[in-house]
Amino acid sequence: EIVMTQSPATLSVSPGERATLSCRASQSVSSNLAWYQQKPGQAPRLLIYGASTRATGIPARFSGSGSGTEFTLTISSLQSEDFAVYYCQQYNNWPTFGQGTKVEIK
Amino acid sequence: EVQLVESGGGVVQPGGSLRLSCAASGFTFDDYAMHWVRQAPGKGLEWVSLISGDGGSTYYADSVKGRFTISRDNSKNSLYLQMNSLRTEDTALYYCAKAEIDLYYFDYWGQGTLVTVSS
Repeated sequence: EIVMTQSPATLSVSPGERATLSCRASQSVSSNLAWYQQKPGQAPRLLIYGASTRATGIPARFSGSGSGTEFTLTISSLQSEDFAVYYCQQYNNWPTFGQGTKVEIK
Repeated sequence: EVQLVESGGGVVQPGGSLRLSCAASGFTFDDYAMHWVRQAPGKGLEWVSLISGDGGSTYYADSVKGRFTISRDNSKNSLYLQMNSLRTEDTALYYCAKAEIDLYYFDYWGQGTLVTVSS
């Protein structure tokens, strides 16, 4: 099983600031990496797939980068609706998720 | 518009059984593999099982192998999860999720159905 590790567990950011979330895989997953956003009481929403391709309807302030074992999700200027939990997921093998990063208001 | 609607959750005693259903619409159901993903209360996401578009191939997480069975009825655009020998650690919100063709990331999710295993 490929273990996905996200950091930090919690990120405190002021609205308008930049947020940088990290995800590390225990072995190479090539570019088979997705990011999801989950708000309380809601299902996860796909943000990024292929490590860097935005899903349909996702604003340009969300960007993904990386390949192999190290990946980053960047939110360039946090809006109020962006405060949520973010998960990375590899699909190079059977799907596994990171434990999540909570982005909270500073 | 793609829609996935789960049903069948509830409270069950340890050792009991439950069958979850997911009704799909808005896409050509049999073109796509379908998955179940679960989330224990206050915890992260865990992939549970997948079934190929034609139903001929199924795969399971080790944590549920031998206890859960995934199936689908393409004539009814429906996905199922038969859960037997339930344990307290199976308590979770169970999501039905659609994957992209040949790639196992999830572009659409249902709202989930809650399974509580408790005596």
